[in-house]
Amino acid sequence: DVVLTQTPPTLSATIGQSVSISCRSSQSLLHSNGNTYLNWLLQRPGQPPQLLIYLVSRLESGVPNRFSGSGSGTDFTLKISGVEAEDLGVYYCVQSTHAPPTFGGGTKLELK
Amino acid sequence: EVQLVESGGGLVQPKGSLKLSCAASGFDFNSYGMSWVRQAPGKGLDLVADISSKSYNYATYYADSVKDRFTISRDDSQSMVYLQMDNLKTEDTALYYCTVVLGYWGQGVMVTVSS
Repeated sequence: DVVLTQTPPTLSATIGQSVSISCRSSQSLLHSNGNTYLNWLLQRPGQPPQLLIYLVSRLESGVPNRFSGSGSGTDFTLKISGVEAEDLGVYYCVQSTHAPPTFGGGTKLELK
Repeated sequence: EVQLVESGGGLVQPKGSLKLSCAASGFDFNSYGMSWVRQAPGKGLDLVADISSKSYNYATYYADSVKDRFTISRDDSQSMVYLQMDNLKTEDTALYYCTVVLGYWGQGVMVTVSS
């Protein structure tokens, strides 16, 4: 199975600060059809995960544009340009290029 | 709007059974694979099982930890997906989510296995 390694496991930020989360895959996530099936999810406390980014860099409808995704192959990054209080929670990357789909271990974003 | 509503959770004794249901709406259910993902208290997300669409012959996948104990199924006519859980163990205690394309999630249903 594909292993996704997220770093850092915990991230402390102040409101307005820009932060990045890394997701590294044990193998390339480029599918034979040319797509890269790498999503980013946010799970706020007590809530189900919600989709932020799909196909590496496409912003889900309704998600603020302070969130952005980038990367290719095995290295991916989620950036938040100006953290807001509502952004606190646990971020997960998830891949579905290779079966079975797998999740990163999560990055907890907390207030400094 | 995509909606996924799970039901069927609860408290069950070890070796008991439960059947989870997920009612889907707001998208072309017949065209998408569906998954069950669980989250133990304070832990991360783990894929339990998934089932592909008819186009892919309803192929199924199970995590090793639930193989031969859990069965995923779907009813395209009702836009429903199910998870039959047998021979439950204490380590199956978790919040179970129904999800489509691992991007849209239900609110989850709690399963507690305890004597």
